[in-house]
Amino acid sequence: QKEVEQNSGPLSVPEGAIASLNCTYSDRVSQSFFWYRQYSGKSPELIMSIYSNGDKEDGRFTAQLNKASQYVSLLIRDSQPSDSATYLCAVNKGDNQGGKLIFGQGTELSVKP
Amino acid sequence: KAGVTQTPRYLIKTRGQQVTLSCSPISGHRSVSWYQQTPGQGLQFLFEYFSETQRNKGNFPGRFSGRQFSNSRSEMNVSTLELGDSALYLCASSAPWTGVKETQYFGPGTRLLVL
Repeated sequence: QKEVEQNSGPLSVPEGAIASLNCTYSDRVSQSFFWYRQYSGKSPELIMSIYSNGDKEDGRFTAQLNKASQYVSLLIRDSQPSDSATYLCAVNKGDNQGGKLIFGQGTELSVKP
Repeated sequence: KAGVTQTPRYLIKTRGQQVTLSCSPISGHRSVSWYQQTPGQGLQFLFEYFSETQRNKGNFPGRFSGRQFSNSRSEMNVSTLELGDSALYLCASSAPWTGVKETQYFGPGTRLLVL
């Protein structure tokens, strides 16, 4: 079992729709969760971080965390063609909360005009 | 505030050679982590340095090594290059002492091709 799992996609949604990206993790003691966006040929760019159960909203993005189910999701409202990218879920596994991110394989999102 | 910078951006080497990559973190950030990204394995953690000490380590062979200088700049070295080392090498920096909220910001990466 991989430590962090995502549906690889591709996920295709029409412009203006809600895109839903899902991620599960195996280590129950994980405390920090991140969503990064990566355009083709570029480096990962931070979108959201979440540490507590529940929802966290930032503009068109909402991250949801359920520690009991070991599940993290990212919702993108009013999806735009510019949102087409690979979305990476990451969990911090560092000792003393140092920087050791474990990434899922990424979900490729395509937003069609 | 300037972002994370990495040099060189592109590199071509041959099998058996060694390579050194450099990373300068965001000003004020003292933690630097290194990652390898390949199409087959995805993004994998190599190691992390904080205050010139390796704080976390991934599951890579000893050919991969790193170090950090007193100004927080970091280098990673790969010795005896293999074809499978061809990858995008990413550096990320974070501010220390932020506990669970420690957040990493990535540089543009160095693309290494081993022939």
